[in-house]
Amino acid sequence: GENVEQHPSTLSVQEGDSAVIKCTYSDSASNYFPWYKQELGKRPQLIIDIRSNVGEKKDQRIAVTLNKTAKHFSLHITETQPEDSAVYFCAGGEYGNKLVFGAGTILRVKS
Amino acid sequence: GAVVSQHPSRVICKSGTSVKIECRSLDFQATTMFWYRQFPKQSLMLMATSNEGSKATYEQGVEKDKFLINHASLTLSTLTVTSAHPEDSSFYICSARVRTSGGEQFFGPGTRLTVL
Repeated sequence: GENVEQHPSTLSVQEGDSAVIKCTYSDSASNYFPWYKQELGKRPQLIIDIRSNVGEKKDQRIAVTLNKTAKHFSLHITETQPEDSAVYFCAGGEYGNKLVFGAGTILRVKS
Repeated sequence: GAVVSQHPSRVICKSGTSVKIECRSLDFQATTMFWYRQFPKQSLMLMATSNEGSKATYEQGVEKDKFLINHASLTLSTLTVTSAHPEDSSFYICSARVRTSGGEQFFGPGTRLTVL
């Protein structure tokens, strides 16, 4: 089955700097890679996703890149703000089917 | 749109009792719902995939007789934790996939279960 690894486990950045979180996956059949933001005690919120037919997707300050050959994908947040502080999870799976989540990254944006 | 609710949000029960958690899609039909468990400061671990009108598919290591899942309609799935023990204390989250679209899962707010 699928295995998703996520790094780093914690990340501290200065407000305004960029943050990058990386994930790798094992199952070449996986073709859907969403990223979720979860604040303490709340539900995960989808912030961006990418399917394997594209290599990059951007939505304002957030972008995701995918390298199918290397089986890794990354989340890029530019111009970070204190409200970006949260736990971020990557996930992978076949589109429409179950997802396997990474271990999570605690992002702290220092003002 | 695409709102998922869960009930209750918090429950405290005694060891040995059973607890039912409801997951509802409020403004869409969900052919498939997923049940996750999340321990403090850990990731979401998929427990089972619930398909409307059929038996749930459980992940390896999840006891189907302990975690009973029923997906009786396109808007409701229930998870019953039977004979709960303190080690079952966790945050249980459901998600639902919109019937007419593809991959995106919308998550419920979660249920905090504490077993004394």
